[in-house]
Amino acid sequence: QVQLQESGPGLVKPSETLSLTCSVSGDSINSDYWSWLRQPPGEGLEWIGYISHSGTTKYSPSLKSRVTISVDTSKNQFSLKLDSVTAADTAMYYCARGAGWYNYWGQGILVTVSS
Amino acid sequence: QSALTQPASVSGSPGQSITISCTGTSSDVGGYNYVSWYQQHPGKAPKLLIYDVSNRPSGVSNRFSGSKSGNTASLTISGLQAEDEADYYCNSYAVISYVFGGGTKVTVL
Repeated sequence: QVQLQESGPGLVKPSETLSLTCSVSGDSINSDYWSWLRQPPGEGLEWIGYISHSGTTKYSPSLKSRVTISVDTSKNQFSLKLDSVTAADTAMYYCARGAGWYNYWGQGILVTVSS
Repeated sequence: QSALTQPASVSGSPGQSITISCTGTSSDVGGYNYVSWYQQHPGKAPKLLIYDVSNRPSGVSNRFSGSKSGNTASLTISGLQAEDEADYYCNSYAVISYVFGGGTKVTVL
């Protein structure tokens, strides 16, 4: 059974970098594309970007200047970095398997941007 | 990239069928057969219901079906059940991005 688990700080200060990791079990990270999405409290879903096992990435145009997604195949993990965060980046962050449609999701991690 | 347009809410009685629309443009919904639908219960991660407009993943009830006409995709839930009360989101490929609809709250009366 494929499982994804997000980890990282739940509180980040404004202007700092948000860093999250997604650990994948029950599947090889070499098998598919892997994505990050987010959902501000009470709002809808937003696609952040994806990465392939070989490192090919694609990012949302609105976040492209601040986002980096990387993969560590030896640990079966992939990661998200979002620079220069503001309160508008407060959201539940999800990792998911796929690019375009997502058949497995992590439970999500709430990240609050506040001083 | 603008969000896709969904009705804020749709309601129906148990056993009825309801349809949720998802309207985009020729640059997203209308241009590609890459529309997916998700169900999200409060406090839970989204669940994939439909991919590539009308394909259902293994394990998803056949009460859920998807279609597309022009720039509008639709999700139909037949035989509405209490457990279907949730938020529903559409998503489409849009060349340089993937865009979501604003979500539709389904209420079972």
